[in-house]
Amino acid sequence: KNQVEQSPQSLIILEGKNCTLQCNYTVSPFSNLRWYKQDTGRGPVSLTIMTFSENTKSNGRYTATLDADTKQSSLHITASQLSDSASYICAPGGQGNLIFGKGTKLSVKP
Amino acid sequence: EAQVTQNPRYLITVTGKKLTVTCSQNMNHEYMSWYRQDPGLGLRQIYYSMNVEVTDKGDVPEGYKVSRKEKRNFPLILESPSPNQTSLYFCASSLLSSGGPSPGDEQFFGPGTRLTVL
Repeated sequence: KNQVEQSPQSLIILEGKNCTLQCNYTVSPFSNLRWYKQDTGRGPVSLTIMTFSENTKSNGRYTATLDADTKQSSLHITASQLSDSASYICAPGGQGNLIFGKGTKLSVKP
Repeated sequence: EAQVTQNPRYLITVTGKKLTVTCSQNMNHEYMSWYRQDPGLGLRQIYYSMNVEVTDKGDVPEGYKVSRKEKRNFPLILESPSPNQTSLYFCASSLLSSGGPSPGDEQFFGPGTRLTVL
């Protein structure tokens, strides 16, 4: 059965601090893993896309890692900003079918 | 402006009254998909399409229909809506690289349709 577990469920950090979000998955077929940012009530926005052979991918202050052997991924946010407050969703899957995690809700406080 | 549009954005209806939620993209994307999002659950895929006249079931297709007669449009049809279909619905589209996912395969999501079935 396809499963995606994200941790923590929620996280509160101070502006300027770093944080790391985790994603463990069991998904088949697997060819790629994506991280999305979703503001409340809005559609998700893509942050990174990694194929199974990639270990790391950066997008500005966001850096995603992938270990396809252990089926784990992480999203590291550097020097957080208030605008980073959102839900972050991990989505592994094949080319046509993505399985979405429940997300980690991040709150960045001043 | 490159975008995915959905209509309506909000809809309240009654059980059994057929409805259609439209989705349109202006990026010439091959791939389009419908998701529903419920509190405490992740986005769940309803149906997806890899090209015109090519559709396939996602994880939760029961009670829904789709069609892909044109590349830009991918409507979601609820023939007989029920209260358990009350949800936030998202349409998404992307390119579909033949060699597998690439940064160009970024999936663009619409703004969402909030549906309430009484």
